[in-house]
Amino acid sequence: KNQVEQSPQSLIILEGKNCTLQCNYTVSPFSNLRWYKQDTGRGPVSLTIMTFSENTKSNGRYTATLDADTKQSSLHITASQLSDSASYICVVSDRGSTLGRLYFGRGTQLTVWP
Amino acid sequence: EADIYQTPRYLVIGTGKKITLECSQTMGHDKMYWYQQDPGMELHLIHYSYGVNSTEKGDLSSESTVSRIRTEHFPLTLESARPSHTSQYLCASSPRPDRLGGYTGELFFGEGSRLTVL
Repeated sequence: KNQVEQSPQSLIILEGKNCTLQCNYTVSPFSNLRWYKQDTGRGPVSLTIMTFSENTKSNGRYTATLDADTKQSSLHITASQLSDSASYICVVSDRGSTLGRLYFGRGTQLTVWP
Repeated sequence: EADIYQTPRYLVIGTGKKITLECSQTMGHDKMYWYQQDPGMELHLIHYSYGVNSTEKGDLSSESTVSRIRTEHFPLTLESARPSHTSQYLCASSPRPDRLGGYTGELFFGEGSRLTVL
C-alpha cells in the first residue's frame, strides 16, 4: 500500500534553533517528492521538489534531502524564525501517465517560540 | 503568490442549505482539483478536472458536485449541506506537462474555504 508517514506529528522549538522533519514513504514507482509549507488558514505552498537523482536541495534556510534507497526524506530548517511556524506537508508522486498520483502525509506542525 | 482564488473564505450555514464554493485561477492551468482537509489529517482528493467539460471523482467519496464550463473556473456545489460536511475545502490547479513530457507535480493552492454546517 502506498503511504507517506511524517514525523514528528508536532514540534516546538525556540527562535534561532535548527530542526529536522522526517518523511518516510512506500510509494512505488517513485517520481518525485515535494515539501509544502501551509500557514494556518492558508493553502499549502511548495518549498522544494526532489527527484530520484537528487540527494540534497536548498531553498534559503530550508534544505531537503532524499534517500531513494531507504525511501526517506528530511527537511532541515536552519536558524528558525517565528514565520516558520506552520504545517509542513510531504507529498510523493508516483510515475503515472499524464499526472502521477499524489500521496500526502499528515504534516508536521512546527511552532517556533520567541 | 499563486493566482488562484477561493470564495467564500469562511461560511457558516444551517443544515439543508445549498452552497457553492467558488474557485478561479488566472494561470491558464488545465488541471484543477478540490481537496478536503480536516485538522491533523492529510488532504483528500474529492474532485478533479483535466480541462473544460471534464470532471472526475477523487479518492474520497463526496456528496458534492463540480463543473468545469470555463478553464479558469471550477466551482463545487453541495445541494443539501449536513454537519458531516464541515471541513476545510482547498482548490488547486497545476500546469500541463512540459514539451519533453516531464511533470513536476506542483500544485498551486487557493487559500481555502472553511465550511461549518450547523
